[in-house]
Amino acid sequence: DVKVTQSSRYLVKRTGEKVFLECVQDMDHENMFWYRQDPGLGLRLIYFSYDVKMKEKGDIPEGYSVSREKKERFSLILESASTNQTSMYLCASIVPIGGAGNTEAFFGQGTRLTVV
Amino acid sequence: DAKTTQPTSMDCAEGRAANLPCNHSTISGNEYVYWYRQIHSQGPQYIIHGLKNNETNEMASLIITEDRKSSTLILPHATLRDTAVYYCIVRVVRNTGKLIFGQGTTLQVKP
Repeated sequence: DVKVTQSSRYLVKRTGEKVFLECVQDMDHENMFWYRQDPGLGLRLIYFSYDVKMKEKGDIPEGYSVSREKKERFSLILESASTNQTSMYLCASIVPIGGAGNTEAFFGQGTRLTVV
Repeated sequence: DAKTTQPTSMDCAEGRAANLPCNHSTISGNEYVYWYRQIHSQGPQYIIHGLKNNETNEMASLIITEDRKSSTLILPHATLRDTAVYYCIVRVVRNTGKLIFGQGTTLQVKP
């Protein structure tokens, strides 16, 4: 089975701290994504990456950056954590399924980050 | 990517079929319809996808209207474990796989 693993399930950080959220996938996928999920707002795309050292901004990149030094690892960085970044963070990776360019996304279990 | 519209919530009796509708009136010819669900405190899980033909797998069936402007996800015999938020998404073939989630439908399966 494809596995997408996020390093922490729950995290509590202080305002102003630099926070690293790690995501690792074990199937050599090229495309990886970071979302945040908030009540009433659904899942919103923060950043995504097509390949090593490549990254693209999603819909809400402000206050975040990412790092993709190795294909299997995609890190989300909160440069200076703020209380409005308290949220559930979900990592996903994409794999082709069947033919005709179809793809399927696999999600990690999520990291619930609380910034105090 | 086209936008989707889903009802906010639905109830279904255990053992009965759950029919979850989705409108995607601005869908393009090369965009697939994907369904995911998210059970509480877990990451979203792929269910099924289709382009224009109806599709069935071990989890669900997907019915797409002929004009492709709407679709229905069918869980043939809903169980309590099917209680979740269900997301309908359209996505362009061969793109990066970028997923745009809407609000989803919260399905409550009741005993």
